[in-house]
Amino acid sequence: NAGVTQTPKFQVLKTGQSMTLQCAQDMNHNSMYWYRQDPGMGLRLIYYSASEGTTDKGEVPNGYNVSRLNKREFSLRLESAAPSQTSVYFCASSEASGGATQYFGPGTRLTVL
Amino acid sequence: GESVGLHLPTLSVQEGDNSIINCAYSNSASDYFIWYKQESGKGPQFIIDIRSNMDKRQGQRVTVLLNKTVKHLSLQIAATQPGDSAVYFCAERFPGNTPLVFGKGTRLSVIA
Repeated sequence: NAGVTQTPKFQVLKTGQSMTLQCAQDMNHNSMYWYRQDPGMGLRLIYYSASEGTTDKGEVPNGYNVSRLNKREFSLRLESAAPSQTSVYFCASSEASGGATQYFGPGTRLTVL
Repeated sequence: GESVGLHLPTLSVQEGDNSIINCAYSNSASDYFIWYKQESGKGPQFIIDIRSNMDKRQGQRVTVLLNKTVKHLSLQIAATQPGDSAVYFCAERFPGNTPLVFGKGTRLSVIA
């Protein structure tokens, strides 16, 4: 069991470029999440998917879009990257929504110049 | 601990001593709490959880205490080791079908 995997591990973008962060889980979990973590800060929820076919905004959704491709995969897209989106991005999954224990991937470190 | 600007509160502990990390949670109706450990360059890892109908739960070298009267959660680590150096987050579950809410974290630094 790989758990939650994320690609890429590192990425550097120029302002205005677009990219998609990929996340997959092999635990047959129903719910998946995207967070960002800035230096010295906690985790801030960007978007989540309570179940396949549904997505909802979190605390900081502006500038991002998501796709729940299937039960295993949940991608995060930056359409036009901005320096304020420089951060570490974590994907997580849980068996159910509603505050169930979440299991995290290793993160993607994104720098926008 | 409470976050101050960009700086996480830090707890420095001598190797072998016990550590106590504190968390003030926000919602008196929260019914489930989790502690996560995040090592440098890695994602958060589940350590231990507790439901609101309990006031104490023990794991291997870790104990979580819950005081609902003052909305306070603590994580006690016995015989702290260098491998315990990390940032520790608490998370709470609000009523209703919403994701966990995470605290800002406390950095534990173990002095060898």
